[in-house]
Amino acid sequence: AQRVTQPEKLLSVFKGAPVELKCNYSYSGSPELFWYVQYSRQRLQLLLRHISRESIKGFTADLNKGETSFHLKKPFAQEEDSAMYYCALALGDGGTSYGKLTFGQGTILTVHP
Amino acid sequence: NAGVTQTPKFRILKIGQSMTLQCTQDMNHNYMYWYRQDPGMGLKLIYYSVGAGITDKGEVPNGYNVSRSTTEDFPLRLELAAPSQTSVYFCASLGAGGPYNEQFFGPGTRLTVL
Repeated sequence: AQRVTQPEKLLSVFKGAPVELKCNYSYSGSPELFWYVQYSRQRLQLLLRHISRESIKGFTADLNKGETSFHLKKPFAQEEDSAMYYCALALGDGGTSYGKLTFGQGTILTVHP
Repeated sequence: NAGVTQTPKFRILKIGQSMTLQCTQDMNHNYMYWYRQDPGMGLKLIYYSVGAGITDKGEVPNGYNVSRSTTEDFPLRLELAAPSQTSVYFCASLGAGGPYNEQFFGPGTRLTVL
């Protein structure tokens, strides 16, 4: 069965510092990877997804199939980036995955002024 | 456009009681999901539906039932509440454009079973 691991429950950085949230997965096929974010008192929402190759709010994530990782990075953290971040995986078989997501445990990012 | 709405926001149940968590979406999405989130853990899929009249089990379905009579509504039923079902429950729907599109989440229902 597939699994997503986020090794850091808590991550603290100072404003302007680079930040990297780690995500590792185990899955024998080709997965699709996502990062979801939950800001304080807001709903869980999509931040970015591998399939779109996009950069959102300065964040990027690269899928490394050799290391089975999908780490989230931002060169200069901002206070408004403080939130809970979840890495999630969908099976890459298209037809039968039905969009079902497997989530990691989440990382709480705090950006200090 | 309210998106995904869930009721109630909070609920305390006694062991053995039953209840239904309501979920409604107004985006005409076919795919809908129920997840639970335990403290310090990620979200886990309970049940999902790919359209009205079609539901299937996720990773942790025991103790729950679902129905999907309309596109808009996807209620989750707890028949005999147990302390292990204390959790935050999230409903979500999948945007159009394929299985790797964005999932839209509701605000969650915090359930405590005592």
